[in-house]
Amino acid sequence: NAGVTQTPKFQVLKTGQSMTLQCAQDMNHNSMYWYRQDPGMGLRLIYYSASEGTTDKGEVPNGYNVSRLNKREFSLRLESAAPSQTSVYFCASSEGHRRGEKLFFGSGTQLSVL
Amino acid sequence: QQQVKQSPQSLIVQKGGISIINCAYENTAFDYFPWYQQFPGKGPALLIAIRPDVSEKKEGRFTISFNKSAKQFSLHIMDSQPGDSATYFCAARITGAGSYQLTFGKGTKLSVIP
Repeated sequence: NAGVTQTPKFQVLKTGQSMTLQCAQDMNHNSMYWYRQDPGMGLRLIYYSASEGTTDKGEVPNGYNVSRLNKREFSLRLESAAPSQTSVYFCASSEGHRRGEKLFFGSGTQLSVL
Repeated sequence: QQQVKQSPQSLIVQKGGISIINCAYENTAFDYFPWYQQFPGKGPALLIAIRPDVSEKKEGRFTISFNKSAKQFSLHIMDSQPGDSATYFCAARITGAGSYQLTFGKGTKLSVIP
């Protein structure tokens, strides 16, 4: 099983360009998440999808949009990239909302905005 | 406002020694406290977790100690090995209807030297 797969692994954008980060999971999980990781800042939740058909804002949603395409796929879109969005982005999934549930993370997308 | 404070930022331990990472939280509504381990170039992976109704949980060489009155919890790695070198994140979560946000600490980079 691949688990959580993110594409691309690396991306360089110019300020103002747009792009979509793709994420797919093959564990039949209900919930999916997008986090960003910055040096010394830990992991911060951008958006999440509790179940297919729903999405909600996390801690740092500004400048991003998401789409839960189906149960397997959850994409993150940057409409007009800014240097402040330079970061490592992680997609994660979990079985669903339940006490003590485990998050499974992808390997990340390293994004640089020049 | 950072809700989970983690220390130290970095830690160097000799092989065979004990590694200790501390976290403190403010929100008494948190009721699930996981630790995630992240190797370079990889996504975080759940290492061990505890709920506030117990004071300690042990899994192999890894132990979480939990002090509810002090609102603190810590990760102890006994007999630390070079393969334990990674970044460790503590986290906390409020479970309940509509709650999906896992709040992470800023991380501790552990280096175990031979």
